[in-house]
Amino acid sequence: GNSVTQMEGPVTLSEEAFLTINCTYTATGYPSLFWYVQYPGEGLQLLLKATKADDKGSNKGFEATYRKETTSFHLEKGSVQVSDSAVYFCALSGYSGGGADGLTFGKGTHLIIQP
Amino acid sequence: GAVVSQHPSWVICKSGTSVKIECRSLDFQATTMFWYRQFPKQSLMLMATSNEGSKATYEQGVEKDKFLINHASLTLSTLTVTSAHPEDSSFYICSAYRGGLLSSYNEQFFGPGTRLTVL
Repeated sequence: GNSVTQMEGPVTLSEEAFLTINCTYTATGYPSLFWYVQYPGEGLQLLLKATKADDKGSNKGFEATYRKETTSFHLEKGSVQVSDSAVYFCALSGYSGGGADGLTFGKGTHLIIQP
Repeated sequence: GAVVSQHPSWVICKSGTSVKIECRSLDFQATTMFWYRQFPKQSLMLMATSNEGSKATYEQGVEKDKFLINHASLTLSTLTVTSAHPEDSSFYICSAYRGGLLSSYNEQFFGPGTRLTVL
């Protein structure tokens, strides 16, 4: 079956540091890949997505590239801010597009940015 | 974006009772909603897919007679945990799909979750 493995936190960084959160996956076929963010007291929000190999998703300074050869979708940001403190989830959908299909999630990575 | 609400946000009940959790899409219609379950420090696990006007599709290992799902309208899906026991204590999260051929969206929007504690 499908599975997602992501680095577990908490990850603590200083403001303006470079961020990488690793995510690897196992899936049959050609999954779509997602990063979701959850701020305290709020629901999950889609941060970015990629639907095919070599696609790069980007939003709010975050980027992730769909690497089929390494089955990875690592999240990166060049300079983090205190407001980026949240829990980040890597996820996949077993079908192209992914919006209308159930998602397989990683365990989530708690990111803490210190001023 | 789009807003999805859940009610209640937390509930405590006695073992053997039933609990109903509501998931509403507030500003869009959702033909498909999803229910997930999250244990502490674990990932969200898909329980079932709820389609408006038809029976829900349950994931393997999820007891459909215990977790009753009703998607009676385009903006409301309910999850009823029947005869709840302490092992059902968890964080339940719903999402609503917004998309379609004429939509600029193709995305699930998530509710804030419901914390269920069964004593």
